[in-house]
Amino acid sequence: QAVVTQEPSLTVSPGGTVTLSCGSSTGTVTSGHDPYWFQQKPGQAPRTLIYDTSNKQSWTPARFSGSLLGGKAALTLSGAQPEDEAEYYCLLSYNGPRVFGGGTKLTVL
Amino acid sequence: EVQLVQSGAEVKEPGESLKISCKVSGDSFTTYYIAWVRQMPGKGLEWMGTIHPSDSDTIYSPPFQGQVTISADKSINTAYLQWSSLKASDTAMYYCARLPTLDYWGQGTLVTVSS
Repeated sequence: QAVVTQEPSLTVSPGGTVTLSCGSSTGTVTSGHDPYWFQQKPGQAPRTLIYDTSNKQSWTPARFSGSLLGGKAALTLSGAQPEDEAEYYCLLSYNGPRVFGGGTKLTVL
Repeated sequence: EVQLVQSGAEVKEPGESLKISCKVSGDSFTTYYIAWVRQMPGKGLEWMGTIHPSDSDTIYSPPFQGQVTISADKSINTAYLQWSSLKASDTAMYYCARLPTLDYWGQGTLVTVSS
């Protein structure tokens, strides 16, 4: 099974910009991997922010955006807010089974 | 409003069997795949597999193949995840979610396996 890699932790200042990445052990991440991004806060179920690389859910704040960058999937947060402090997971598809990344703990400080 | 409502928390002993459920309301149950996701205590999310309730087409993630059974009963709009013989390592929160956009998630079912 493929391994999906994310930064274990990142820190961003309030109002700042940060990019989280999502790589694949099989090589370049493409739109064919249908990248998803999820936010999870302690004690809560995950919430989907981005699907199919860059599509937002109706509840996704405009400050979040998804893209492909440097051979990986990327989630960019522009104008970080204190409430954005959370764990973020990506998910990639491999022609059937999907694989989550290990998650990035984002601190807003 | 679409809702995925999961069955309540379970406490089981090793070797016991278990079936947890995910009931879908507010939209067509047979149109969308349902996914199951595991989260062990203090750990990340793991994709277990999916089922299409219209024909019970099921795809398991390799680590979970043979370890669990995913099923669905379209007459009552409910998907299931079951174990025939639980292990302590099955202790986790289990979520169901609706594909393709994973827009709706269940609240989670906490399964604790302990002697």
